[in-house]
Amino acid sequence: KAGVTQTPRYLIKTRGQQVTLSCSPISGHRSVSWYQQTPGQGLQFLFEYFSETQRNKGNFPGRFSGRQFSNSRSEMNVSTLELGDSALYLCASSLRDRGYEQYFGPGTRLTVT
Amino acid sequence: GQNIDQPTEMTATEGAIVQINCTYQTSGFNGLFWYQQHAGEAPTFLSYNVLDGLEEKGRFSSFLSRSKGYSYLLLKELQMKDSASYLCAVGGLRDSNYQLIWGAGTKLIIKP
Repeated sequence: KAGVTQTPRYLIKTRGQQVTLSCSPISGHRSVSWYQQTPGQGLQFLFEYFSETQRNKGNFPGRFSGRQFSNSRSEMNVSTLELGDSALYLCASSLRDRGYEQYFGPGTRLTVT
Repeated sequence: GQNIDQPTEMTATEGAIVQINCTYQTSGFNGLFWYQQHAGEAPTFLSYNVLDGLEEKGRFSSFLSRSKGYSYLLLKELQMKDSASYLCAVGGLRDSNYQLIWGAGTKLIIKP
């Protein structure tokens, strides 16, 4: 079974731009969660989608948004990028919502200059 | 408030046993997870505890005491490849949203 895939793996953007990250979950998994990981803050929960609906949301500004498609693939969008948005963005898929056993993708390393 | 505490770093010797502790405070507790993360890689699932007691899986065991808000991950017969960060995560409510709340991770260094 193929694992969770994320594209792109690396991205460099400038302040003020916007970016879209993509995540394809493991086949059959309907839940996709997004996390931001930085050395200082650790893993921070962004949001979780299940069956195309945002089920849960972390404490991030509205510049961070996401969506999920009918095939469970998910995208995350960050508008008006700030330097502090530089981080590793991880997505994780799960059979069920509300956490449970999550399988992580390799992440997208975003650098904002 | 909601928080998770685990030691920042631990050192152990190859072949030995190490216990990594995790204490937490949360509302709407819905399980405790341990993940392993090697440097530069994504976290991988190790264990899940929702009831009190010990869960054993090969060289790794995880324990939970809900009344004490306490868990530990026990690693036996340590191997050099066990050098990694170990993340404790608790399923709970934050701002009326269910989410996994993550500890900062414990960096485990294995010495020959």
